[in-house]
Amino acid sequence: GENVEQHPSTLSVQEGDSAVIKCTYSDSASNYFPWYKQELGKRPQLIIDIRSNVGEKKDQRIAVTLNKTAKHFSLHITETQPEDSAVYFCAAGYALNFGKGTSLLVTP
Amino acid sequence: EAGVAQSPRYKIIEKRQSVAFWCNPISGHATLYWYQQILGQGPKLLIQFQNNGVVDDSQLPKDRFSAERLKGVDSTLKIQPAKLEDSAVYLCASSPGTSGGAYNEQFFGPGTRLTVL
Repeated sequence: GENVEQHPSTLSVQEGDSAVIKCTYSDSASNYFPWYKQELGKRPQLIIDIRSNVGEKKDQRIAVTLNKTAKHFSLHITETQPEDSAVYFCAAGYALNFGKGTSLLVTP
Repeated sequence: EAGVAQSPRYKIIEKRQSVAFWCNPISGHATLYWYQQILGQGPKLLIQFQNNGVVDDSQLPKDRFSAERLKGVDSTLKIQPAKLEDSAVYLCASSPGTSGGAYNEQFFGPGTRLTVL
């Protein structure tokens, strides 16, 4: 089955800086890679996703890149704001296999 | 459009008791998922339904967990008997996708927080 590794587990940045979270996956057949944001006590919310037919996707301050050859994908958040503070999960596959999460803290 | 509904939101039980969770997916969504999220971890898929059939239940502890999705709409997840390590948030999600490679966004419900004492 699919195995998803996510790094780092915690990330602290200053407001306005960029944040990068990286994930690797094991199943070369996987072709759907979403990223979820989960605030404390709330449900995961999709923030961006990418399918294997593209290498990069951007939505305002958030971008995701995918390298299918290396089987890794990354989330990039630019101009971070305190409200970006949350746990971020990557996932891969049709029946999503989630990474362990990255706790992002953006300090003013 | 209404989101995924789950009940109850919170449940506290003693170990060895039974518990059931209910999920109502977004109308028209063919696929329904149950996840277990232990504190500090990512959601772990327990079971995936396609309409009223099981697509994947490889990570469901079948000696104590069971799930059904009668009529391909609502679903219930049951634990009998519960163990301390079952304490977690149980998330239900649905997507419009069908099997055969249609990858679609999963919409999560608010979850049921289970505490086993």
